[in-house]
Amino acid sequence: AQTVTQSQPEMSVQEAETVTLSCTYDTSESNYYLFWYKQPPSRQMILVIRQEAYKQQNATENRFSVNFQKAAKSFSLKISDSQLGDTAMYFCAFLRGGGADGLTFGKGTHLIIQP
Amino acid sequence: NAGVTQTPKFRILKIGQSMTLQCTQDMNHNYMYWYRQDPGMGLKLIYYSVGAGITDKGEVPNGYNVSRSTTEDFPLRLELAAPSQTSVYFCASRPGWAALFGNIQYFGAGTRLSVL
Repeated sequence: AQTVTQSQPEMSVQEAETVTLSCTYDTSESNYYLFWYKQPPSRQMILVIRQEAYKQQNATENRFSVNFQKAAKSFSLKISDSQLGDTAMYFCAFLRGGGADGLTFGKGTHLIIQP
Repeated sequence: NAGVTQTPKFRILKIGQSMTLQCTQDMNHNYMYWYRQDPGMGLKLIYYSVGAGITDKGEVPNGYNVSRSTTEDFPLRLELAAPSQTSVYFCASRPGWAALFGNIQYFGAGTRLSVL
């Protein structure tokens, strides 16, 4: 079984600053995928970014990028030029490749962007 | 495109009552999932299905039942509701590994359930 750990329950930054959310995971699998999901107050789960474990290049999506350190089993999310609309819960999640079982989630980080 | 639709959005149950949470998707996805999210926690997998007639238990299946008679629908049944089942329930689906983005799960808007 795999575990996902997010060690920052809450973070707060000023608008336009850069913020990094941490995530570590533990698995014996070699084929897997990692995700960051955003959950605003509406409760909707929104995919922010994903990373395939077999890819060495870090994924980027506009202002969002990841630092994927496979050997260290670390998968952090960097948000550049943070905006008020980025205020939300952020969940790191793990998916075993090739299987049908679901995502394994961390407990989440509550990110607050201050004006 | 509706995506994943869950009904109801909110429900209050009395202890011992039963109910069915509905989930339907219009993306022709093979894989479907039910998660629960307790306050201050991430989502935990209850049950999943890889296709019509095939279901399997996740991490927290006790107190729940599922069925999958069609590709589109994946209802979650709560029998004899207990306060411990107070939670937000999410249904999700994904295409499966044969698809280009088969690893991406699409979530419904959630059902908030309170058992009093």
